[in-house]
Amino acid sequence: KAGVTQTPRYLIKTRGQQVTLSCSPISGHRSVSWYQQTPGQGLQFLFEYFSETQRNKGNFPGRFSGRQFSNSRSEMNVSTLELGDSALYLCASSPGQGVYGYTFGSGTRLTVV
Amino acid sequence: SQKIEQNSEALNIQEGKTATLTCNYTNYSPAYLQWYRQDPGRGPVFLLLIRENEKEKRKERLKVTFDTTLKQSLFHITASQPADSATYLCALEAGANNLFFGTGTRLTVIP
Repeated sequence: KAGVTQTPRYLIKTRGQQVTLSCSPISGHRSVSWYQQTPGQGLQFLFEYFSETQRNKGNFPGRFSGRQFSNSRSEMNVSTLELGDSALYLCASSPGQGVYGYTFGSGTRLTVV
Repeated sequence: SQKIEQNSEALNIQEGKTATLTCNYTNYSPAYLQWYRQDPGRGPVFLLLIRENEKEKRKERLKVTFDTTLKQSLFHITASQPADSATYLCALEAGANNLFFGTGTRLTVIP
């Protein structure tokens, strides 16, 4: 079956702009989580959605937001981009609880210039 | 606050040997612990999950142990191969579908 698909794969944006990233989970998976990965901070949890509801949120500013659609696809949005937002953004899907592990996408590499 | 430490940033071993990676955590009582493999520029790949009431779990050449008293997990790769070279991450569930990751150990298997 198809894995987790993230688009776009690479993105270059200018400071102050906003960006939207997309994640399509594995078919049948209703939970989508988002993570930011940087060399300095490692993998950090952004938020998680299940059946269109945000269940959990990490310690990130309000510029980071997300949503989930009825088909479980999810988007995350970052407004007023800062240089420090440059990172690999990863999404992970699971059926609901992570007791079977999570399946990650290949990520979107965002560079803010 | 919760903290996960993986014993070393980098580990080099000879092909055929057993690689042992360590994950220590504090200020947390996880119901289970997970291990992932990550290759450069790619997302983590799930390897194994071990529950708090399990002492050991195996999958092919991989073995994970979990000691909730020591707050430690050990991850072993036996008969290591150059293809095992990657960064290995341990992770704890910090909330509903919220994984808290260690910083990872970069393993290099030398032919």
